[in-house]
Amino acid sequence: DAKTTQPPSMDCAEGRAANLPCNHSTISGNEYVYWYRQIHSQGPQYIIHGLKNNETNEMASLIITEDRKSSTLILPHATLRDTAVYYCIVRVNNAGNMLTFGGGTRLMVKP
Amino acid sequence: DSGVTQTPKHLITATGQRVTLRCSPRSGDLSVYWYQQSLDQGLQFLIQYYNGEERAKGNILERFSAQQFPDLHSELNLSSLELGDSALYFCASNSQGSTDTQYFGPGTRLTVL
Repeated sequence: DAKTTQPPSMDCAEGRAANLPCNHSTISGNEYVYWYRQIHSQGPQYIIHGLKNNETNEMASLIITEDRKSSTLILPHATLRDTAVYYCIVRVNNAGNMLTFGGGTRLMVKP
Repeated sequence: DSGVTQTPKHLITATGQRVTLRCSPRSGDLSVYWYQQSLDQGLQFLIQYYNGEERAKGNILERFSAQQFPDLHSELNLSSLELGDSALYFCASNSQGSTDTQYFGPGTRLTVL
């Protein structure tokens, strides 16, 4: 699986959009970009994933650059409950293989 | 709620002891994954089972073992426990269908004294 690079920490004001970047310059054509988050010591929570098109669900939007070397997770209206560590993971889909977690980005949403 | 359940939530034991952690996957999911999260190592993959068979191994110690039963629940057995085994242990499951997304349980916090 390709390696990812994320900033270790970010702050965001409550109610504003949180934009979390991820670099994955060595991504392969069949690798998807997955985002998970971990609130405090809870189990990682799946957020969204995509291959090359932008994706949106009820939690977030995922913007993937045309060359697929980077992506941005967007939380449109961050709340205090969005304070968590966000992990960007790239992996081959349908392989049934494990997730490789890096250090992630610790997002602090402030009032 | 991911649909994955883990018991117990907390476990406190002494060095040298043996414990068993239990995981029930989401209904219909055939794969179970075990991960360990310690303060200094982050989230690390231990082992995967698919429909009762071991599928992949990660950084799992020889003192640790796992199995998946016919009803698809899984158990992670940790023996000869050391202080450094204190960690959060998560299991995840997926169906290996078209999305292959893994869903995680709430974890078991193991403290070895």
